[in-house]
Amino acid sequence: EAQVTQNPRYLITVTGKKLTVTCSQNMNHEYMSWYRQDPGLGLRQIYYSMNVEVTDKGDVPEGYKVSRKEKRNFPLILESPSPNQTSLYFCASSPTALRGDTQYFGPGTRLTVL
Amino acid sequence: AQSVAQPEDQVNVAEGNPLTVKCTYSVSGNPYLFWYVQYPNRGLQFLLKYITGDNLVKGSYGFEAEFNKSQTSFHLKKPSALVSDSALYFCAVRENTGFQKLVFGTGTRLLVSP
Repeated sequence: EAQVTQNPRYLITVTGKKLTVTCSQNMNHEYMSWYRQDPGLGLRQIYYSMNVEVTDKGDVPEGYKVSRKEKRNFPLILESPSPNQTSLYFCASSPTALRGDTQYFGPGTRLTVL
Repeated sequence: AQSVAQPEDQVNVAEGNPLTVKCTYSVSGNPYLFWYVQYPNRGLQFLLKYITGDNLVKGSYGFEAEFNKSQTSFHLKKPSALVSDSALYFCAVRENTGFQKLVFGTGTRLLVSP
C-alpha cells in the first residue's frame, strides 16, 4: 500500500530532551515536507526537501532540523524541544516539486513538550 | 504572497441537505487549489484539486468544488451530506512562484447532524 508513515504517533517529552520523529514514504517521491498544525493557524510548513541531500526552510523552521540522506526518509529533529513546540506534526510527500502534484500526508505525530 | 481564507470556523448541516464549505484565495497569477479533509486522529486526505480547465472539479466521496476566478473562490460542495462527512476541512493554494509550497487555510469544522 502506498503510504507515508510517521513514528511515533504520540510523544510526551520534557524540555531540552532531543527527539527525532521519523517519516518514510514508499512511493519513490522526490519531494517531502514537514508541517505543524496548531488550532486557528492551520498547517504551516517547517522544512521541505526537493530530493536527496536538498533541504530548505519553510515558514517556521526555528528549533527544528531535518536531513534527507535517502529518498524515502525525512526525519524531523528537535535538538532541544521547548513547550512552544507542542503541536501536531505532519509529514507529506509528492512525486515531484511541480505545482500540480498532490501532496500525500502521513497520519500525524502529536507531540507534547512539558 | 499567496493566502487562503476559510471564513467559517464551523459549518452545521443536517444529513441529506447540501453542504458548502467556503474558501477564498489571494495569489498572483493562476492559482493551483486543493481541498483536504482531516478525520479525528487521522492525517490529511486529499479530496480534489483545481489546476486548469473545467471550473467544476469532482473529487473523492462525492465532493466537488467550483472555481470562480472573478470571486477568487473555491468552495467545496456536496449535494447530500452524510454524518460520516463530519470532519475538519482545509483549503490550500499553491504558490505561484518557485515550487511546491502549499499555503493552508485555518480549517473549517463540518458537523453533520442525523
